[in-house]
Order: sequence, then C-alpha cells, then structure tokens
Amino acid sequence: GQQLNQSPQSMFIQEGEDVSMNCTSSSIFNTWLWYKQDPGEGPVLLIALYKAGELTSNGRLTAQFGITRKDSFLNISASIPSDVGIYFCAGQQTSNTGKLIFGQGTTLQVKP
Amino acid sequence: NAGVTQTPKFRVLKTGQSMTLLCAQDMNHEYMYWYRQDPGMGLRLIHYSVGEGTTAKGEVPDGYNVSRLKKQNFLLGLESAAPSQTSVYFCASAYRVRVDAFFGQGTRLTVV
Repeated sequence: GQQLNQSPQSMFIQEGEDVSMNCTSSSIFNTWLWYKQDPGEGPVLLIALYKAGELTSNGRLTAQFGITRKDSFLNISASIPSDVGIYFCAGQQTSNTGKLIFGQGTTLQVKP
Repeated sequence: NAGVTQTPKFRVLKTGQSMTLLCAQDMNHEYMYWYRQDPGMGLRLIHYSVGEGTTAKGEVPDGYNVSRLKKQNFLLGLESAAPSQTSVYFCASAYRVRVDAFFGQGTRLTVV
C-alpha cells in the first residue's frame, strides 16, 4: 500500500534543543497532518495544513506544507521533557472519505 | 463528553477464537475508522465508514469485518484470530467536512 516516508525514525536530544522531522511521498496530498502519541494513548492532532506552502504554528511547534504537495515538515523549538513521544505525519488525498495515510513515526526522547 | 471510547482495552485470544472490538463516539461524527498499529509501521487503515449503514475496505482488511448499525458505534470483528493479528487497534472518528480525526485510547490484542 501507499506509504509516507518519515524521518528520522528516532531522535535523542538534550532539553532545550530544536527538533526537525519530515515526511515525503511520491504522491500528491491535499492535506497534511501531524499527530503526537504518548505511551498507552491514541494519537492527538497537533497541526493540520491545507494549502501548499502553508506555514502553521502551535506554540513551540511549526509545520509546513511543501510547495510540491509531496512533503511536510515539523519543527519543535526549545524542546522540553514532555515533548517525549512518537510523532506521526499523515496525509489525505481525497476529502470525501477522510482516509489518512500515516508515516512510520518519529520517536523523540528528550534528556533533561 | 467522552470522545472516542474503545472496549476492551486489553485482550488475549487463542488462535482461531473470535472477538468483537467496540468503538463508540459521542461527537455525532459521520466518519469512523479502524486502524492497526505495529512497530515501525505507523497506523494502517483496516476498514472505514462514511455513515450509518455503510462500510468500506481500507489498506489491510483481510481477516476483519466491520459493522456500523448505529451512527455512534463502529464494530470490528475477528472471525478466526491469527497470531499475525497481534497488534494495537485504534478507532477514530471525524466530521464529514474536517480532516482532524479523533482517536480512542487503543485496544492491545495478543493472539497466541
């Protein structure tokens, strides 16, 4: 099936550092989403992007919808211990079903 | 307002046994989804529903059946469980015109 390639697979950083992760595809998407999953919980939506080139922030998080519509980026500034978790990108190609295709996830660990 | 509730949270099955996972949402969402999450694979769509009485296959539907008899409930059935179905199962729901799906807390299923 179709896949989104998310990188890096895992990151281990120092508290206070900035984090960048990205998601790429060979296909065009109309919408990009970024989710965070805490241990034992379901994914929670962080940011949704609806237009190519769009740059959206949510607190210390900033995400961008790539111009080619085939990629998206998530940046976390000044990381803190509660940023620990798995971050997923997800893309949607058609809006009449709401189906999402997920990346493999980026596991983030933050050292205090 | 409970959001998306999954029942049960944990289950161990023997190969060949059957079971039904229940998903209930109280947000009056039209769309509902069942995903499975495996290490390194992200979330993969099993089946989905765009409204009461309708269901459709996702990316990995084999070995599963679903039913949406009521708008607020979406049931996932395993008729004859196999070890390959050991996974964490997530239910999600969304409004028709929005893409931000809300996820349940997951059901951890082990088939021995």
